[in-house]
Amino acid sequence: NAGVMQNPRHLVRRRGQEARLRCSPMKGHSHVYWYRQLPEEGLKFMVYLQKENIIDESGMPKERFSAEFPKEGPSILRIQQVVRGDSAAYFCASSPMSGPHNEQFFGPGTRLTVL
Amino acid sequence: AQSVTQLDSQVPVFEEAPVELRCNYSSSVSVYLFWYVQYPNQGLQLLLKYLSGSTLVKGINGFEAEFNKSQTSFHLRKPSVHISDTAEYFCAVVGAGKSTFGDGTTLTVKP
Repeated sequence: NAGVMQNPRHLVRRRGQEARLRCSPMKGHSHVYWYRQLPEEGLKFMVYLQKENIIDESGMPKERFSAEFPKEGPSILRIQQVVRGDSAAYFCASSPMSGPHNEQFFGPGTRLTVL
Repeated sequence: AQSVTQLDSQVPVFEEAPVELRCNYSSSVSVYLFWYVQYPNQGLQLLLKYLSGSTLVKGINGFEAEFNKSQTSFHLRKPSVHISDTAEYFCAVVGAGKSTFGDGTTLTVKP
């Protein structure tokens, strides 16, 4: 059973470009979470999605950031008009169902560098 | 609202010595507690979790943690560390459907 997959692993963008980060959850998992890890900091929750639904986006910046988890295909975290401050590692996690006792399985992350 | 404080950002220790990584939390609701490990350039891997029952929880790689409700702590311990334990360790709490992570503790095991 393949784990959570994220691609690309490394992404370089110039200021003003768009970044698209993809996350394929583990097989059978219908819950996806996105986190951002800034250098020397912990993980900060961004958004929690189920198939075709955004459940909690309280950690998402109000502008330029969006996320989706379509019925088919991976979850996408999209950052428009990137700025240097967006440089970070973005981690996706998945779980089989909701509920606090369910372990989140993390992907290897996408390291975004904005030049 | 809930928060997690990892009291030490860096913990250097010699190989085969014991180690304790401290984690305190605050929450207005009941929480579940987790410790994750992150090796360089990798994602997070679950070490152990406390959901209910015995307050002493054993995890992988010889780690254990003790939940102390009165002190709102969930400290991680290992009696004898290896070089391979060098990594970043994150404490996390889940309450009311929200996950909150601490800022991490860098454990460096020296020969």
